[in-house]
Amino acid sequence: GAGVSQTPSNKVTEKGKYVELRCDPISGHTALYWYRQSLGQGPEFLIYFQGTGAADDSGLPNDRFFAVRPEGSVSTLKIQRTERGDSAVYLCASSLTPEGAEAFFGQGTRLTVV
Amino acid sequence: GNSVTQMEGPVTLSEEAFLTINCTYTATGYPSLFWYVQYPGEGLQLLLKATKADDKGSNKGFEATYRKETTSFHLEKGSVQVSDSAVYFCALSDSGGYQKVTFGIGTKLQVIP
Repeated sequence: GAGVSQTPSNKVTEKGKYVELRCDPISGHTALYWYRQSLGQGPEFLIYFQGTGAADDSGLPNDRFFAVRPEGSVSTLKIQRTERGDSAVYLCASSLTPEGAEAFFGQGTRLTVV
Repeated sequence: GNSVTQMEGPVTLSEEAFLTINCTYTATGYPSLFWYVQYPGEGLQLLLKATKADDKGSNKGFEATYRKETTSFHLEKGSVQVSDSAVYFCALSDSGGYQKVTFGIGTKLQVIP
């Protein structure tokens, strides 16, 4: 597609459930980033992939959060045992290379944990 | 650690008014500085950037100058339009690229005709 695509656009889940959020980056972009934006805040870095590997996962808040990018394209952010505090907009971005190339953002997935 | 402080909104201006959104930062070394914009219903977009001291980033009539002595990167526009209504985020990266960007909380701008 022309831009970064994130699905679903909205997800409502019950506390304690498992969720998966998907990101389709721009074709050919080797770098992929996940951010989380809570209400009234700016985006916070979660994890960055270069190709298939997680180059920096220092932003993941705890071990309930995990992300994969098995073929170096689509990425999935996985959240286990969801908590109400996980409610936020999860943003994905991609760039041609990590150094110097602009990162393009998707519109995000709004996750609500009830 | 790195941090970005920007003025809280919302900011409401009349069309053709002058805009300033203040932004200051804390970082080690020489970070790259950015302004991102989020228009209603759209994703974050890079508006402008500056990568070293005294650089001026500019785009769509917006400007910001990298001031190392005051650790600031204030966003300005001489004459705002209704179409500029959006949320503006000041941000930095100390990696030189886009790998790990630290964002401010965002400032909502509303321009009224």
